[in-house]
Amino acid sequence: KQEVTQIPAALSVPEGENLVLNCSFTDSAIYNLQWFRQDPGKGLTSLLLIQSSQREQTSGRLNASLDKSSGRSTLYIAASQPGDSATYLCAVGRRDMRFGAGTRLTVKP
Amino acid sequence: GAGVSQTPSNKVTEKGKYVELRCDPISGHTALYWYRQSLGQGPEFLIYFQGTGAADDSGLPNDRFFAVRPEGSVSTLKIQRTERGDSAVYLCASSFGLWETQYFGPGTRLLVL
Repeated sequence: KQEVTQIPAALSVPEGENLVLNCSFTDSAIYNLQWFRQDPGKGLTSLLLIQSSQREQTSGRLNASLDKSSGRSTLYIAASQPGDSATYLCAVGRRDMRFGAGTRLTVKP
Repeated sequence: GAGVSQTPSNKVTEKGKYVELRCDPISGHTALYWYRQSLGQGPEFLIYFQGTGAADDSGLPNDRFFAVRPEGSVSTLKIQRTERGDSAVYLCASSFGLWETQYFGPGTRLLVL
């Protein structure tokens, strides 16, 4: 069974800092990997989706990379802002996605 | 356009009662998914539909849980004889096809007393 782990569980940084969130998975035979953002009491918002044949995806200040062979993905956030404060979740799979527990990010003004 | 909507947003019930949670997917999305999220955890897959049929219900925890999507649009997750352990946020998502990005609703927060 696919297991997804996210480190760290929580992260607090000052505004403007660049940061990296980590996601690891146990079964490298994945179809795609997706990063989501979840605000308190809200649903999930898809940030980036990386197909298994791709190495990375970029959207604005976000860059996600995928290394299937090592079972790892990273989400890089450049020039962090207080509005980036949320929980970031990674998920692997196709229809029945497996999620990590998330990293709770706080960006302090 | 309108996103995925879920009703009710909050539901409080007593142990042993029956509850129904509703999901309205994005118009035109053929695939619909249900997840359950406990406090401090990521969502856990329950079931997904392609059209009217449940294509994979392997995530349903036991036979007290059942979901339907009779007309291929709105879906209802039904929980019989609720237990305190069923307390969680139930999330619904939809996608244009099985391989596409899933769009999530805000969830229904279920509390079983």
